[in-house]
Amino acid sequence: AQSVTQLDSQVPVFEEAPVELRCNYSSSVSVYLFWYVQYPNQGLQLLLKYLSGSTLVKGINGFEAEFNKSQTSFHLRKPSVHISDTAEYFCAALGAGSYQLTFGKGTKLSVIP
Amino acid sequence: NAGVMQNPRHLVRRRGQEARLRCSPMKGHSHVYWYRQLPEEGLKFMVYLQKENIIDESGMPKERFSAEFPKEGPSILRIQQVVRGDSAAYFCASSSGQESYEQYFGPGTRLTVT
Repeated sequence: AQSVTQLDSQVPVFEEAPVELRCNYSSSVSVYLFWYVQYPNQGLQLLLKYLSGSTLVKGINGFEAEFNKSQTSFHLRKPSVHISDTAEYFCAALGAGSYQLTFGKGTKLSVIP
Repeated sequence: NAGVMQNPRHLVRRRGQEARLRCSPMKGHSHVYWYRQLPEEGLKFMVYLQKENIIDESGMPKERFSAEFPKEGPSILRIQQVVRGDSAAYFCASSSGQESYEQYFGPGTRLTVT
């Protein structure tokens, strides 16, 4: 079984500033890791995923994340945020061989003009 | 190239009524997953179906909830005798099955029970 913890429920940040959204996971098996974004009243859109290989993963909209096995973390970063990045971000894990995505509780990113 | 479709997008039911939520997977996908998002919570897995088969319903409440994915037509999540605690967003995802980590989500159905 897996669990996912998103350490911050809300993150306010000024426009054009960098941001990091934190995610830690635990699992008894190897995992795949994902970040999804949810805009108000919409579904989930996949930002990026880590399956294997390079620990630095680049996604859409200028986001990237780094898989750190020793820290069991998969933090999401963007060097310069825009107003349009205001949304809720979910970290999720999928155990190898499984099909049940396990989600964190989400982090609401608010970009301040 | 249509994505995952869900309807209705919003559904209001009075306590005791039935709710039917529909999900049409992406073209070529034969695996469907239902997740529920309660207020201020992340998504929780409910059920995994393939055509005409329920593979795993371990996340679904034992009573009042059922799901199906018939040979023809969309997948249906059915909630009988709804209660206020059923108010949530219900998301459907689909995959081709060969790579289950590639789950594509629909826009969700927001159920409000009054």
